[in-house]
Parts: sequence; structure tokens; C-alpha cells
Amino acid sequence: DTAVSQTPKYLVTQMGNDKSIKCEQNLGHDTMYWYKQDSKKFLKIMFSYNNKELIINETVPNRFSPKSPDKAHLNLHINSLELGDSAVYFCASSHFGGPGEKLFFGSGTQLSVL
Amino acid sequence: EDQVTQSPEALRLQEGESSSLNCSYTVSGLRGLFWYRQDPGKGPEFLFTLYSAGEEKEKERLKATLTKKESFLHITAPKPEDSATYLCAVAGDNRKLIWGLGTSLAVNP
Repeated sequence: DTAVSQTPKYLVTQMGNDKSIKCEQNLGHDTMYWYKQDSKKFLKIMFSYNNKELIINETVPNRFSPKSPDKAHLNLHINSLELGDSAVYFCASSHFGGPGEKLFFGSGTQLSVL
Repeated sequence: EDQVTQSPEALRLQEGESSSLNCSYTVSGLRGLFWYRQDPGKGPEFLFTLYSAGEEKEKERLKATLTKKESFLHITAPKPEDSATYLCAVAGDNRKLIWGLGTSLAVNP
């Protein structure tokens, strides 16, 4: 049973389109995250939610909008996709969201914008 | 500014050839230093958390150590299945996790 699952695994789309990535965790964790990993493997936090409340909102274009319908789900919607949005997007969760807690990651969504 | 630097960028070992990966960090108020393993096409997988200088943790062929400025991930007698990218991250007083760029390890049979 996958702990953190995200779909789709691959997403290929044209510039200007709108797309969504879904994430679900079955670990009973309170906190969920979206990370972006660029081609150099650098992981950068985008958002975090604790029990459906937005906690971290890094300097991400407002074309990116997270939505958390409940604490087990955190979806990412991206409007007007640009070439520079191409990357791997990871969903993650942690128990309470404390700085010393380990993260559980999904397997990633590779987004390619053409 | 909080910062994490990992070295080397890439490392190629023969099976059984022990080595160490380095993670140098600067952070205000260390809350934890983390090691993760990432296989191609997968998300990072947690290995260790170290909280204070002098702390050590072990898991199979891996041993992580921590000083006030750096952490080492020692790999003893590695096997091909240890091939992966190893990521280091630190959390400080600002509660944000800062990641290094990783060390890509290849272990040849």
C-alpha cells in the first residue's frame, strides 16, 4: 500500500495549458508539501499545508495554486504553463510538520511543457 | 544565510570499496540534519536524522556522523544496490528545510 501517491507520473503538455497534479497520503499525517526538483536535482519547497491550512508559500508564481480538500489530499493546479515549469514535482508528508521531522515523498510527477 | 554543500558531486566505487560523502552546512540554530537516498524516477527516501554534534547513526552499510560544520555519510563495503543519489538537508530556526544538490553514487560490481 503506497504511503504517498501522486498522479499522473508523467505529464506532457503545451505552453499555455492548465494542468493538475493530485496527491494523497494514507499515513494519517497532518502536514503535506509540494516540492519542485529541477534538472540539477535541486529540491525547492513550494507549499506546505497543515491540516488543510496553508503554512508555507514560497515565492512561487501565482499561476500555481495548491488545494487541500482534507488533510490526506493536497493537489497542485498550474495555470498558463510555461517552458520553465518543466521539472519533477514531488508531494511529501510529515507527521506534524515540525522542522526535525522526516518527510515521506511520493514518486514524483515529471512535467514537460512543450 | 542557511546553506548546504555536498561533495563530491559524483562518486564511482568498486564493490567493496568503502568511502565517505560530505555535507557541509551553515545554519542558524540546527534543528536537524537529514540524509535521504533517491533512486532514478523515485522520490527521496529517508535514511537518517542527526540532531547534535557528535551524534552517529547506522543502518546496514551506512553510517552518518555530525559535527558543528559538516556531516559524513560513510559507506562500508558498498554493493551495486547502494547506487543512488544521496541528498543532505538541514532545518534551522527558520523551520525551512534547505537541501544540497546531492552526491550521485555508482557502485560497480
